[in-house]
Amino acid sequence: QQQVKQSPQSLIVQKGGISIINCAYENTAFDYFPWYQQFPGKGPALLIAIRPDVSEKKEGRFTISFNKSAKQFSLHIMDSQPGDSATYFCAASKRSGGSYIPTFGRGTSLIVHP
Amino acid sequence: KAGVTQTPRYLIKTRGQQVTLSCSPISGHRSVSWYQQTPGQGLQFLFEYFSETQRNKGNFPGRFSGRQFSNSRSEMNVSTLELGDSALYLCASSSDPGTGGGYTFGSGTRLTVV
Repeated sequence: QQQVKQSPQSLIVQKGGISIINCAYENTAFDYFPWYQQFPGKGPALLIAIRPDVSEKKEGRFTISFNKSAKQFSLHIMDSQPGDSATYFCAASKRSGGSYIPTFGRGTSLIVHP
Repeated sequence: KAGVTQTPRYLIKTRGQQVTLSCSPISGHRSVSWYQQTPGQGLQFLFEYFSETQRNKGNFPGRFSGRQFSNSRSEMNVSTLELGDSALYLCASSSDPGTGGGYTFGSGTRLTVV
């Protein structure tokens, strides 16, 4: 049972275009939603995160849109660059034993063509 | 500031053997989490330690175990290795896991079971 569904599995975008990755969750106990970026040979790195009390958060070219009623959230990468080529993971976190434990989506492989 | 260090980077083991992986968190981080990453299942949470106590555990068999030392360094052990245990094992540390964010991942240990 996949608690966090991520799509698309892969994405090809031209330089300067907008990359959009979508995620959906079912468990309403999740209340923290981070996105991670992973380059080959490296561990995931936190990119941007949002809590469900806001509908949008922007950091530079990266924006998270959050729809609490639909239990969906998405990552938008504006003006996509070849250096953005990586695998992106959404996650949904809930508190357990004093810590937030993330459940990850399956990942999206993004390729940005120059 | 040094990041999360995982050793060794690569490991080849034979089915039935046991293996121990090591993780040194960022200085001052008391929470250490372990994840298994495979192409088929994605990123899956193994367990989390905080101040030498296991605070959370994922859905993995008892062959997977871990511990944390007083200096916050952590080890993960897998006994009676199976072919399906071949994966990238990632460690992440956090100074304040109760706020949701702040998880910094290491580059992982690539385990191959033959």
